[in-house]
This record gives sequence, structure tokens and C-alpha cells, in this order.
Amino acid sequence: EVKLVESGGGLVQPGGSLRLSCATSGFTFTDYYMSWVRQPPGKALEWLGFIRNKANGYTTEYSASVKGRFTISRDNSQSILYLQMNTLRAEDSATYYCAREDGNWYFDVWGAGTTVTVSS
Amino acid sequence: DIQMTQSPASLSASVGETVTITCGASENIYGALNWYQRKQGKSPQLLIYGATNLADGMSSRFSGSGSGRQYSLKISSLHPDDVATYYCQNVLSTPWTFGGGTKLEIK
Repeated sequence: EVKLVESGGGLVQPGGSLRLSCATSGFTFTDYYMSWVRQPPGKALEWLGFIRNKANGYTTEYSASVKGRFTISRDNSQSILYLQMNTLRAEDSATYYCAREDGNWYFDVWGAGTTVTVSS
Repeated sequence: DIQMTQSPASLSASVGETVTITCGASENIYGALNWYQRKQGKSPQLLIYGATNLADGMSSRFSGSGSGRQYSLKISSLHPDDVATYYCQNVLSTPWTFGGGTKLEIK
């Protein structure tokens, strides 16, 4: 069974940092692009970025809203995806999801999400 | 960046009705358009990919159409279980932008 399980969310002060993890199982992790998507309370989904698969050199792309503050990485030996978030702002408060990109430009598997609250 | 605009933002319909949600892109996205269904308290689930292809396991009451800049999601014979928020997503180019969502309720 394919599974994605996020962790690492919590309460953090503005300006602080947090690292989210997405533990994966049930598929060959290195074959897939992996993305982070967030949803602030009452707002729409927002794609944050992805990290490409082995065939494409594990390179990354980001949305403008997080580029330079957030970093996506992966530990291919442990099949874990990460999102390092720095200089956090109140508007970064959201539920954060990791998602697998199928290879045909859609997200076929999503995690349950982890909640980040940025507040003093 | 490609902007995605969904309408309506919310929709209320009766069981058995047919409803249509539209999604407009700020430029031609050549069918690189996905639809997701997000039920309350659950993660989003792929519904339609490539504008017209029904995802595995999803009901055939859902169908997607469109081309160029304009796309639609049709839900036929509405069921109570269809209560959810629906999102379109551009995947022609990064950033893979989502629409603002359409919240569907049952009357």
C-alpha cells in the first residue's frame, strides 16, 4: 500500500524555523517527483514546490511565495521528503501536505497533512 | 504565472441534479488541467486529469471537458456524498497553480 505520512508541524514564532517530514512507503521513492502543497484555514490549496526524481537529477522548483525561504529535499535512502521552512510568517500558517506526482503531471497520492501555526 | 479562476465559489444543488463548475486559465494551458475533490477533514483526491480523464476509482458521474483557456467539471445525478470543495489545477508550467475552489453543498 502506498502511504505518505507528514510530521513536524506545530506552533512556531514569527521569524522561526520548522522542518516538516513526509515518510513514504509502498513505492520506489526515487522514481517519483514529490511536492509540498499547503492550505491555510478557509483558503485554497497552494502548490509550494517539488523535487524531481532520480532520472531528472533531484532538482527543485518553488513557487514565488516561498522561494528563498523554504527548501525541499529528500533522503532517498530512507524514502523521506523534507520541507525546511525558515523566516516563517503568520501567513504561512496552514495544513501542509506532501503529494506524489504520478509522472503524468497529477498528484495521485496525498498525505493526511500536518498543521503549522505561526504565532507569537 | 498562470492564474486559475474558478466559478462559482459556492454552489448549492439538490440530490439528482446536474451541476457544472468552470475553471478559466489566464492563458492557453493545452489541456494540462486536473480536478481534485476535497471532502471535509480529508486530503484532496484526484478526480480528473488531463482535462478529461477520470481518475481510477472515481464515479463516472464526474466528467471533465474543455480546451485552451476554459475547462469544466460536470457532476451528474448529484449524490449527498458529493459534498466537497473542488479545485482545478494548472500543470502546464510551474508554478502548478490551483483555482480558488468551489464549495458544493446539498440543498
